[in-house]
Amino acid sequence: GIQVEQSPPDLILQEGANSTLRCNFSDSVNNLQWFHQNPWGQLINLFYIPSGTKQNGRLSATTVATERYSLLYISSSQTTDSGVYFCAVLGKLIFGQGTELSVKP
Amino acid sequence: EAQVTQNPRYLITVTGKKLTVTCSQNMNHEYMSWYRQDPGLGLRQIYYSMNVEVTDKGDVPEGYKVSRKEKRNFPLILESPSPNQTSLYFCASSPRTALHGYTFGSGTRLTVV
Repeated sequence: GIQVEQSPPDLILQEGANSTLRCNFSDSVNNLQWFHQNPWGQLINLFYIPSGTKQNGRLSATTVATERYSLLYISSSQTTDSGVYFCAVLGKLIFGQGTELSVKP
Repeated sequence: EAQVTQNPRYLITVTGKKLTVTCSQNMNHEYMSWYRQDPGLGLRQIYYSMNVEVTDKGDVPEGYKVSRKEKRNFPLILESPSPNQTSLYFCASSPRTALHGYTFGSGTRLTVV
């Protein structure tokens, strides 16, 4: 089956810093989604991004399906960005193991 | 507001006492599914439904039942809960098939003692 790998597994940032999270997948996929799991456990949809680039405020995402990766950019990070970021390949919804982000004030 | 609503958010129960976790979506989505999240194991699919009266097993269906009598509702039933079903549960829906963007419910944290 498709393998989804995320890096880095953990990330600590000072408030205001920028970061890039990466998601690699082992086979061609048609659809990919990024989620944020906040400290209360809720899964928040960030981007549905099968290809190309999307932006929403301080967050943006790029998927290059032909090269089997997707990137999530967080600019000017805030403490409320803390939590775990997952990418998931749609179909059966195969999740990566997540990147745990901690933003310090 | 478009959303998936799960209830309850938190539940502590005893072994063997039947329970139902409800899930309802107001987006007219055809596809709905249930997941459980456990430390070190990630999110695993329990059951899914492509449409009304169409359900199928996911990766970890043992000990669970579902029904899809109406498009908006997809309850998860634990007939005889056991401690190994202690987990964080999520319901999700998607517009047509499993290949479109998902919306997740807020989660149900279940503890079986």
